[in-house]
Amino acid sequence: LAKTTQPISMDSYEGQEVNITCSHNNIATNDYITWYQQFPSQGPRFIIQGYKTKVTNEVASLFIPADRKSSTLSLPRVSLSDTAVYYCLVGSPSTNAGKSTFGDGTTLTVKP
Amino acid sequence: NAGVTQTPKFRVLKTGQSMTLLCAQDMNHEYMYWYRQDPGMGLRLIHYSVGEGTTAKGEVPDGYNVSRLKKQNFLLGLESAAPSQTSVYFCASTRGYEQFFGPGTRLTVL
Repeated sequence: LAKTTQPISMDSYEGQEVNITCSHNNIATNDYITWYQQFPSQGPRFIIQGYKTKVTNEVASLFIPADRKSSTLSLPRVSLSDTAVYYCLVGSPSTNAGKSTFGDGTTLTVKP
Repeated sequence: NAGVTQTPKFRVLKTGQSMTLLCAQDMNHEYMYWYRQDPGMGLRLIHYSVGEGTTAKGEVPDGYNVSRLKKQNFLLGLESAAPSQTSVYFCASTRGYEQFFGPGTRLTVL
């Protein structure tokens, strides 16, 4: 079971780039890394997913080093609306469904 | 597409009462999950299903039962509610690596 470790909280200001790192030392060969965003009173929402190197989409980038023991979610030029909890998950839904855990996430607070 | 829907949105129970939470998805997903989220904490997996007619235990299954009689529905039951089950319950379904979550059910057990 791949456990993850993230900072409990982070503060930033509007327009800055935010990097949130997740440690997952016992990641398995077939595990993917997925990040979710959760606003208060809502269910989590998928942000980005990757296996190795770098992945970029319209909202974020995900950096994964060669040893895959950590990953970094990068949010460019954050705004107040990016204030949320961010979760890192490690697992492979097709081979170990139900065995990846959300952890407590990172609470990002963006200030004006 | 409605995505993932949950019924009811809010519920208050007395200790010892029973209830069923309904989750429905219209995306033809095989995998479905039930989570609970306590204040200030992450989501913990209660039960999950990898297909119609199958269920399995997650991280915190005690006090809950589930059924997946139809592919689109995943039911979570509390046979005898306890105050420790006061929480927000989220249902999700999975396409590949992406989980789609419902809006949640806020349950209070007095």
